[in-house]
Amino acid sequence: QVQLVESGGGVVQSGRSLRLSCAASGFTFSSYPMHWVRQAPGKGLEWVAFISYDGSNQYYADSVKGRFTISRDNSKNTLYVQMNSLRAEDTAKYYCAREELHMNRAFDIWGQGTVVSVSS
Amino acid sequence: SYVLTQPPSVSVAPGQTATVTCGGNNIGSKTVHWYQQKPGQAPVLVVYDDNDRPSGIPERFSGSNSGNAATLTISSVEAGDEADYYCQVWHSISDSYVFGTGTKVTVL
Repeated sequence: QVQLVESGGGVVQSGRSLRLSCAASGFTFSSYPMHWVRQAPGKGLEWVAFISYDGSNQYYADSVKGRFTISRDNSKNTLYVQMNSLRAEDTAKYYCAREELHMNRAFDIWGQGTVVSVSS
Repeated sequence: SYVLTQPPSVSVAPGQTATVTCGGNNIGSKTVHWYQQKPGQAPVLVVYDDNDRPSGIPERFSGSNSGNAATLTISSVEAGDEADYYCQVWHSISDSYVFGTGTKVTVL
């Protein structure tokens, strides 16, 4: 079945780095744009980053621009986000999500998320 | 940046209709999507393209969008509809995806 599974979360000190992964299965990963979305404890959803189906385009939220880098390896069906210079406010559950091609930029498939906790 | 404002909470009795609004500047010119998130779970798309439903989503979920507000309507509300609901748009001017502030729907 169609599935996204995130990994790589954990506890990290402020100023350090962490890389999250999202393994896709059950669909042609290389055909779909992908996203990272995060949710701080008790808060709402915040879009983080976008990458086009072939990796040629990336967009970022202002809150992470210059610190986070989204990438993908279509040969491995895997999405990544490299998070540098982490701050306490980056503490959140991070979800990867698929952008459905025929739903006008809606996110139709979500992973279960991986938790990142940044300690000061 | 583009801001989407939702009421923090909506309460509704079982069998009645719940209405969740999403306010944004000229949001009627954009395409709105809605997500349902139950505690401890990932979000689920319930309405896309203003008023279309993904397969498996009941007809009780519908949407509309005009002017400065979009609306998610849940008819014949059931206990299982209790969740947080978020609207979302693509803001082309800034190449960004924007979520609303979220609304907690409580079934009395």
